[in-house]
Amino acid sequence: EDQVTQSPEALRLQEGESSSLNCSYTVSGLRGLFWYRQDPGKGPEFLFTLYSAGEEKEKERLKATLTKKESFLHITAPKPEDSATYLCAVPQGGSEKLVFGKGTKLTVNP
Amino acid sequence: GAGVSQSPSNKVTEKGKDVELRCDPISGHTALYWYRQSLGQGLEFLIYFQGNSAPDKSGLPSDRFSAERTGGSVSTLTIQRTQQEDSAVYLCASNRGRVTDTQYFGPGTRLTVL
Repeated sequence: EDQVTQSPEALRLQEGESSSLNCSYTVSGLRGLFWYRQDPGKGPEFLFTLYSAGEEKEKERLKATLTKKESFLHITAPKPEDSATYLCAVPQGGSEKLVFGKGTKLTVNP
Repeated sequence: GAGVSQSPSNKVTEKGKDVELRCDPISGHTALYWYRQSLGQGLEFLIYFQGNSAPDKSGLPSDRFSAERTGGSVSTLTIQRTQQEDSAVYLCASNRGRVTDTQYFGPGTRLTVL
């Protein structure tokens, strides 16, 4: 069964303290990996799509990377406004469904 | 342009009542997805519509759940005889048609069943 596991479940950082979030996946025939950010009471907001191992994408303080088994979301010098839950998802093998991880709740303290 | 909209934003109902949740996708998006997000859980796929094709209903948890999409645009998710375990946030997303295309989400409807 296709699975997506995110770690840690929660992460507390001080402003400026860089770290990484992990998304490991098992799926037959990866067709892409999506990262979303979700603020409380809102729908997920798209961040990145990665399609092949070795691919990297950046946006402001965020950088997403992909290997054959996992993806990392690196946060450099985070600010309090980066506090949110970060979700990753992959298309389920042979279907049009996305399988989501349970997310990492990031809190950045000033 | 306008994003995905959902209504109502909040719905409180009594156990056993029927509810309808509405989703208005981004104009021009042919695919529409419904998900359920329960406290502490990931997003759970419910149903997928693509153009005029038969919907993929494989994620619907029981026959109390149904959805339709009229005219290839607006979709309604109906839950009959609601139960307390149906309490969750129901999210709708749309995209240009393939699962590899970015899905854009609405703000969700928070359903509370008393």
